Amino acid sequence: QSVLTQPPSASGTPGQRVTISCSGSSSNIGTNIVNWYQHLPGTAPKLLIYSNNQRPSGVPDRFSGSKSGTSASLAISGLQSEDEADYYCSAWDDSLNGWLFGGGTKLTVL
Amino acid sequence: QLQLQESGPGLVKPSETLSLTCTVSGGSISSSSYYWAWIRQPPGKGLEWIGSIYYSGSTYYNPSLKSRVTISVDTSKKQFSLKLSSVTAADTAVYYCARRDMVATNTFDYWGQGTLVTVSS
Repeated sequence: QSVLTQPPSASGTPGQRVTISCSGSSSNIGTNIVNWYQHLPGTAPKLLIYSNNQRPSGVPDRFSGSKSGTSASLAISGLQSEDEADYYCSAWDDSLNGWLFGGGTKLTVL
Repeated sequence: QLQLQESGPGLVKPSETLSLTCTVSGGSISSSSYYWAWIRQPPGKGLEWIGSIYYSGSTYYNPSLKSRVTISVDTSKKQFSLKLSSVTAADTAVYYCARRDMVATNTFDYWGQGTLVTVSS
């Protein structure tokens, strides 16, 4: 079981706004930055959000991240069919002294 | 454009050692700005960080795997490698190599496509 907890699934219709949560603890999300990845099976995971809310060049502003306390969220607005993928949160853990990933959330565009 | 490519056997027998290599192209493996990492994903499960290495050879590993993992780097070949000993079926996974940018994003910004390693007799 991942120390960073994500819902296993999420869904929305085209144009909708969906959010994916990531719950951690004081040793990871509570004190360190959160990153988000988009992963299509069979491809390389793609960095979507870094430092809680920063988008790498080329990532549409439909994707946004936030953090509060020991939880973080990824929001996708104007949902598109190509957003259907698995999404993972990640953070450094001071107790583990290593990187943690969430269990992943499979986003379905209905 | 930086590219990472994993290579190695797709099938390993139980109790043997899994060995993979990641070749870096389109960029430097010797930059002081980056760490290089191995991350895996068992079938139907989430991602798990295995360990990371600096170009100087400095390493740090996931404590749950530390006793079985060795990561090394060959800067002349622009490669870094993973060895995981005493494998079991639980080590069956897609193995990814990735770059961690310590300056701009402080996270894994480039990943390989991944390679499936199956542990089976």
